[in-house]
Amino acid sequence: DIQMTQSPSSLSASVGDRVTITCRASQSISTSLNWYQQKPGKAPKLLIYAASSLQSGVPSRFSGSGSGTDFTLTISSLQPEDFATYYCQQSYSTLGTFGQGTKLEIK
Amino acid sequence: EVQLVESGGGLVQPGGSLRLSCAASGFTFSSYWMSWVRQAPGKGLEWVANIKQDGSEKYYVDSVKGRFTISRDNAKNSLYLQMNSLRAEDTAVYYCARADWLDIVAMVFWGQGTLVTVSS
Repeated sequence: DIQMTQSPSSLSASVGDRVTITCRASQSISTSLNWYQQKPGKAPKLLIYAASSLQSGVPSRFSGSGSGTDFTLTISSLQPEDFATYYCQQSYSTLGTFGQGTKLEIK
Repeated sequence: EVQLVESGGGLVQPGGSLRLSCAASGFTFSSYWMSWVRQAPGKGLEWVANIKQDGSEKYYVDSVKGRFTISRDNAKNSLYLQMNSLRAEDTAVYYCARADWLDIVAMVFWGQGTLVTVSS
């Protein structure tokens, strides 16, 4: 099974900050990597697919990069609505595993 | 508008069974792979099972193999998850999601989730 490891597990930042979350796969997954945002009590929301493609309707302050085993999600200028938990997920294998999540909190 | 509405969650004793349903609308249900994803209280997301458009292929995470069965009824636009021999660690919110092909498989549309609690 492909394991996905995110870092950090939690992060405190301020509105306007630039933040980066990393995700590492236990084996090469090419660019088969998605990023989701989840707010408390809500279903996840797709932000980025195929490592770097912005899902329709998602603000351009979100971006993704990487290939192989190492990936990043960057938020260029944090907005109040961005404080949430973020998950990476690989779609390389039939059952796509998720990272453990990164909780982004207000400093 | 795409809608996925789960139902069937509740409190069940360890060793018991439960059947979850997901009613789909707003799209051609028979054209999409569908998935169940769960989230234990305060924990992360776990992809539980997938089913192909015609039900001919099914995949499960190891922890539920032999206990859970994913199925679908395309005539009723419905997805199901039969859960047997339930354990405390199966306690979670269960989401159904549509698997879209966006260069790779990604889940764009999700239901609101249904809570399953396994406890005596």
